[in-house]
Amino acid sequence: DTEVTQTPKHLVMGMTNKKSLKCEQHMGHRAMYWYKQKAKKPPELMFVYSYEKLSINESVPSRFSPECPNSSLLNLHLHALQPEDSALYLCASSQDGTGPNNSPLHFGNGTRLTVT
Amino acid sequence: GESVGLHLPTLSVQEGDNSIINCAYSNSASDYFIWYKQESGKGPQFIIDIRSNMDKRQGQRVTVLLNKTVKHLSLQIAATQPGDSAVYFCAENMNSGYSTLTFGKGTMLLVSP
Repeated sequence: DTEVTQTPKHLVMGMTNKKSLKCEQHMGHRAMYWYKQKAKKPPELMFVYSYEKLSINESVPSRFSPECPNSSLLNLHLHALQPEDSALYLCASSQDGTGPNNSPLHFGNGTRLTVT
Repeated sequence: GESVGLHLPTLSVQEGDNSIINCAYSNSASDYFIWYKQESGKGPQFIIDIRSNMDKRQGQRVTVLLNKTVKHLSLQIAATQPGDSAVYFCAENMNSGYSTLTFGKGTMLLVSP
């Protein structure tokens, strides 16, 4: 089992809905990530939080809004999504993402999102 | 054998064979590389990593080889088992101060009993 927990596992939402994806880790990691993965494609980076501050936003549309309430939690707020946003949304964490001592990312099992 | 289908490249092997999965990475400035295994319905699972100051690293039943001259990474799995069937991704990180991994396209490994 993964040490990064994501909820819900599955989510179906309409284009006018507002929903949130949640991610939790208790490994003491200080960097947390959101990735998006379409079927049969590699994960693509969306956001990076380092020490609870947003460090990287990969030009993600504003209908996706990340939030890091504390070092263990990461949320992704969704509003006015499009059907093409349907994908697997993966959360990951790493011990420390700075300098030459890069550490591996540990992934959760994702939230399978369907936008109708 | 290995084939490039409409979607993911696929490598089909028999149980007990050794498997070699290849990856061409894109950025000569990348200094850290990871192999991930992703089973259906799950997130990527860390297998093994290697830093750019090494050319080989071994784990349990797995070996990663790095050739920086041609920007090539390979994953060797010894005595492949049906449980090894999954999609395998290589990922690279350019030392930008964060572990912002960029994933390769992935290879599906199918192991028949």
